[in-house]
Amino acid sequence: EVQLVESGGNLVQPGGSLRLSCAASGFTFSSYSMNWVRQAPGKGLEWVSYISISSSDIYYVDSAKGRFTISRDSAKNSLYLQMNNLRDEDTAVYYCARASGVGGQMDVWGQGTTVTVSS
Amino acid sequence: SYVLTQPPSVSVAPGKTARVTCGGNDIGRRSVHWYQQKPGQAPILVIYYDGGRPSGIPERFSGSNSGNTATLTISRVEAGDEADYYCQVWDSSSDRLVFGGGTKLTVL
Repeated sequence: EVQLVESGGNLVQPGGSLRLSCAASGFTFSSYSMNWVRQAPGKGLEWVSYISISSSDIYYVDSAKGRFTISRDSAKNSLYLQMNNLRDEDTAVYYCARASGVGGQMDVWGQGTTVTVSS
Repeated sequence: SYVLTQPPSVSVAPGKTARVTCGGNDIGRRSVHWYQQKPGQAPILVIYYDGGRPSGIPERFSGSNSGNTATLTISRVEAGDEADYYCQVWDSSSDRLVFGGGTKLTVL
């Protein structure tokens, strides 16, 4: 079964850090680009970051630049999002999603992991 | 930055046709993908590259894209189609992925 499973979400204070993980199974992880997408409570979807197959192309939403780092480890079939200097507005459910290249459709999504930034 | 505009809500009676629009400057020149999200669930892809339909998505779902508007059309609407729908494009001028604000489809 093709599957993505996120983990690492937690309650963290403003200014703190978290590392999200996304474990892929059931498909050749190294053949797909990946995205992180978040959804604040009661709000719409917001794209966070993209990483290409070889990690040569990496993009971020402006609010994440300089604070978040996307990475992948094909040996572990895993995608990561290192989040530093967290803000209240980063509170959201974070989804990882498989993509067919930059701009391509996201055809497989994880169930999401919840990040809450609060003092 | 590129902006996608969706109506906040669309209502339709069962068995009728629902159309969810996604407006953007010259969006017809871009590839549009559509996602369905039900409460408490992750999004799922329902239309890709304007009009492609992933396996498992009913033929009742179709898409079109021209000029400044992309449209998701759901024929013979069922109660189970009630959900939020989001359009998405890639903005190559800013290297950003953009979602529309989402449309809540209500089946009356």
